[in-house]
Amino acid sequence: DGGITQSPKYLFRKEGQNVTLSCEQNLNHDAMYWYRQDPGQGLRLIYYSQIVNDFQKGDIAEGYSVSREKKESFPLTVTSAQKNPTAFYLCASRQPAGEGSNQPQHFGDGTRLSIL
Amino acid sequence: AQSVTQPDIHITVSEGASLELRCNYSYGATPYLFWYVQSPGQGLQLLLKYFSGDTLVQGIKGFEAEFKRSQSSFNLRKPSVHWSDAAEYFCAVGALGGYSTLTFGKGTMLLVSP
Repeated sequence: DGGITQSPKYLFRKEGQNVTLSCEQNLNHDAMYWYRQDPGQGLRLIYYSQIVNDFQKGDIAEGYSVSREKKESFPLTVTSAQKNPTAFYLCASRQPAGEGSNQPQHFGDGTRLSIL
Repeated sequence: AQSVTQPDIHITVSEGASLELRCNYSYGATPYLFWYVQSPGQGLQLLLKYFSGDTLVQGIKGFEAEFKRSQSSFNLRKPSVHWSDAAEYFCAVGALGGYSTLTFGKGTMLLVSP
């Protein structure tokens, strides 16, 4: 079955450490997205990528970095500059819209990051 | 800038009763609207979407939503709630076309009482 796989499901980070969250999709989607979810805050966009080797900052990109070397993969690195990284992180993907139509975003099951 | 407001943080409904979750959006052009559902510790599952045509949209699990342009609303409804519907519900708005991003509301947590 096609879908989006996020790993690991749970991740712990020590102070001052960078960690990388994995997101892989086999839906052949061009666009991929990273969101951060905090209780009562909804989803906030961190980064998104419309095509390989290209990505754009979202609303809360500070302290995060991404790469898009392959169509299937869009890893997110939470750097030590992110002072409050504890959150639930969701990856999504979608196909571009056709004329007069549109496609929804499909989501992975998320990674919960905590600070030790 | 686009925005989504879900006025109710929590809603409690008795099993078998009807449900309406409110969503108001702000968007300068023709909006593309979604409702997603999230169970604890899981990702988001699409319930339904609207971008044109009939303003009453049918989705999965017996849900429907009605787009009212004059009220900038896209409320989610279900005639009879089941205990398995307990989850968090998110409304989102985006632009038609291309790779537009979505703006999400802060969610409404649905609790179902016996």
